[in-house]
Order: sequence, then C-alpha cells, then structure tokens
Amino acid sequence: GAVVSQHPSRVICKSGTSVKIECRSLDFQATTMFWYRQFPKQSLMLMATSNEGSKATYEQGVEKDKFLINHASLTLSTLTVTSAHPEDSSFYICSARDGLFSYEQYFGPGTRLTVT
Amino acid sequence: DAKTTQPPSMDCAEGRAANLPCNHSTISGNEYVYWYRQIHSQGPQYIIHGLKNNETNEMASLIITEDRKSSTLILPHATLRDTAVYYCIVRKVYNNNDMRFGAGTRLTVKP
Repeated sequence: GAVVSQHPSRVICKSGTSVKIECRSLDFQATTMFWYRQFPKQSLMLMATSNEGSKATYEQGVEKDKFLINHASLTLSTLTVTSAHPEDSSFYICSARDGLFSYEQYFGPGTRLTVT
Repeated sequence: DAKTTQPPSMDCAEGRAANLPCNHSTISGNEYVYWYRQIHSQGPQYIIHGLKNNETNEMASLIITEDRKSSTLILPHATLRDTAVYYCIVRKVYNNNDMRFGAGTRLTVKP
C-alpha cells in the first residue's frame, strides 16, 4: 500500500524553541494532508487540514500561529511547533490523501515530541 | 460523516476469534465503514473497509448488517500482536473531508 513517512520519529527540544516535523507521501501525490495530535491514552485529534498550495484550515482551539503548516508540494507537508512548551509534548501524526486516484487516506508512523 | 459507537475495551484469548462491534446508526447511503488499528506509539494502520457487502482480506473480515447501522470486525485467530486500539470510522470517500477518530476499542489479546 501507499507509504507516508515522518521525520523525525522522535524529538526532544527545550522550552521556547521551535521544532519542525516533516511528512512525506512516498509513492503518490497528496493533494490534501492532515495533522493529528494524540495525548497519552487519548484518541487522535485533528489539528488542521492542508491542501497543496493553500493555507491550512485549523480546527477550533488550535492556534495557527503556534502550529505552522506548510504544504508547498504534492509530496511534502511540514508542521512547525513554534515556541514549544511542555504542554505541547505529544504524539503528532500526519496523514495524506491520494486525491488523484484512490482518494484513500494514509497515515504516517508519528513523531513523538518531548519539550523539556 | 456519521458518528460511531464502540465498546471501550475487550479481551480475547490468543488463537480465538476477536469480534469487535461498531454502531453507526446514522450512516448515509454513500458512506463507507473503515477500520483502523493503532498499536502503541505507532500511526494508525488500515485494516479493511466496506460499503454494504461483507469484506475479507488477509487481516480481517468485515460484516455489515443489512440495514448498515452496525458492523463487526472479525480477527479470525487473534495473536498477542493484535493487541491494539481499534477504530471504526464512517466516511464518504470521494470528497476532501478529513477522517475523525472516536475513542475506539482497546483489544487485549491474552495468552
């Protein structure tokens, strides 16, 4: 099946710094990408949806200036957590939709962010 | 997309069939039933999906009731590696809507 990769798989950063997470679709063109956040023992919560070349649409309660999303190409989306704080520590998962052929949605392996 | 209801947890003996139920009473005619699972600290893994007919693949079988208001995911011979949270999701395929997750069912396969 289609593959979505994320980099890095885990990252530790200091409070106040920014960290960037990459999401790539490896064998299909992702016209739409999604970013989810998952806290321990909770389900995945959608943060934002991005269409290639357009601004991301954020879910209610998600700060767009804190979680910067760039979807500049059909195979790459990035999530930048700016001025990270310990409460931003979470598991971040991206997902990509094949908007040209199958319309299916594929998930990445996730990135564990720890802010100290 | 229609909402789903799943039991929060289930246990299953290793080697036995695991039957995971899902209610989706407000499903509409053009919505599919999808099943994903998430093993600890990994991204969701696709299992199977269907519209109204029963489906089977190498991982599982999906049984959808005739009125499509509920479905059951069947893992025919559960192994310890099947311990995970299983999510039942209803969605239209041919649009740009996102996939939203409920609480899912935490399946524990016991030796």
